[in-house]
Amino acid sequence: RKEVEQDPGPFNVPEGATVAFNCTYSNSASQSFFWYRQDCRKEPKLLMSVYSSGNEDGRFTAQLNRASQYISLLIRDSKLSDSATYLCVVSSGGYNKLIFGAGTRLAVHP
Amino acid sequence: NAGVTQTPKFQVLKTGQSMTLQCAQDMNHEYMSWYRQDPGMGLRLIHYSVGAGITDQGEVPNGYNVSRSTTEDFPLRLLSAAPSQTSVYFCASSYLGTGATRTEAFFGQGTRLTVV
Repeated sequence: RKEVEQDPGPFNVPEGATVAFNCTYSNSASQSFFWYRQDCRKEPKLLMSVYSSGNEDGRFTAQLNRASQYISLLIRDSKLSDSATYLCVVSSGGYNKLIFGAGTRLAVHP
Repeated sequence: NAGVTQTPKFQVLKTGQSMTLQCAQDMNHEYMSWYRQDPGMGLRLIHYSVGAGITDQGEVPNGYNVSRSTTEDFPLRLLSAAPSQTSVYFCASSYLGTGATRTEAFFGQGTRLTVV
């Protein structure tokens, strides 16, 4: 079983739609959680950290459920520019190495 | 402020050749790491370092060597290239953080390597 699992998608949604991505992780000792965004043929960049109480950044909301070892990302009012791959990232093991999920691809169409 | 700089951006190697991928950061980050990204596999950790002189293996270390003689540089060496090492390679750096936390990782632009 992979340490971080995501639905690969793709998710094809119209502009203005709300879309939710889910992620599960296997190491109950993990302490840090992130969503990264990766555009085609580019490097990953931090979208937002995920905190236990949940957090919001504009149209983006991240939630963490430690009991279920589950992380989510909600994107409201999708824009064409949101089209990208979204990577769920969890810290694990010695020195809290970052472990990446395989990513969920989002395509927003007019 | 350059951030994380990787060279080269593209490389074609013949099977059996060796090469070094360069990675440098100017943010005084303690933690540096190398990942490879293959279709459908996400980023997989090859090697990482928590400071000069300290390195350790990640998930897929076979066929790769690293060293960390300075805080700024963390080169990745392919000892004898194989077609299975065709991939996109990313170098990343971050502060170590405190306790069990991990801070944001900054990535280089990637090296697209093809082994024929």
